[in-house]
Amino acid sequence: KNQVEQSPQSLIILEGKNCTLQCNYTVSPFSNLRWYKQDTGRGPVSLTIMTFSENTKSNGRYTATLDADTKQSSLHITASQLSDSASYICVARTGGFKTIFGAGTRLFVKA
Amino acid sequence: DGGITQSPKYLFRKEGQNVTLSCEQNLNHDAMYWYRQDPGQGLRLIYYSQIVNDFQKGDIAEGYSVSREKKESFPLTVTSAQKNPTAFYLCASSIRDRGGQETQYFGPGTRLLVL
Repeated sequence: KNQVEQSPQSLIILEGKNCTLQCNYTVSPFSNLRWYKQDTGRGPVSLTIMTFSENTKSNGRYTATLDADTKQSSLHITASQLSDSASYICVARTGGFKTIFGAGTRLFVKA
Repeated sequence: DGGITQSPKYLFRKEGQNVTLSCEQNLNHDAMYWYRQDPGQGLRLIYYSQIVNDFQKGDIAEGYSVSREKKESFPLTVTSAQKNPTAFYLCASSIRDRGGQETQYFGPGTRLLVL
């Protein structure tokens, strides 16, 4: 069964600190993995995309990693800001163009 | 301004009523999608359309209907047959890059509430 699991469900950190969000996927055949940021009450916005041949991709303070062997991905946020408070969604895509969304990690950044 | 617009932002439905959610895009994308988002769950695909005048059921199409008469428009109707319609509805459109990777662009969403 194709599925994407994210952890933790929610996370609270202080402004300026780093954090790492986890994503485990069971998708076959695997095509690519994408991380989205979703602000409350808004649509998701793409942060990074990685295929099986890529193991890291950065977008400003966001760095995603991918381990195709263990089927794990992580999103690392450096020097967090209040505006980073949002849900972060991991999305895996199969070779058959099916898209599987994780439930997301809700990040709260406190001043 | 290019992008995807959804309206209304909030919508209230009475028992037995059909309601229609609007989705418009001026990105010239061929493919459009409707998703439903519930707390603690990933987005679930309701319907998608790869081209004008054609659409396919997603994973949870029961109680919903769509049309794709124009490239830029993909309205979703929530019918009275949908017994649990309260959710956040997201519309998306997509394009493939030269490498064949598809990128979806999402609208701001419509929150549907049942009175």
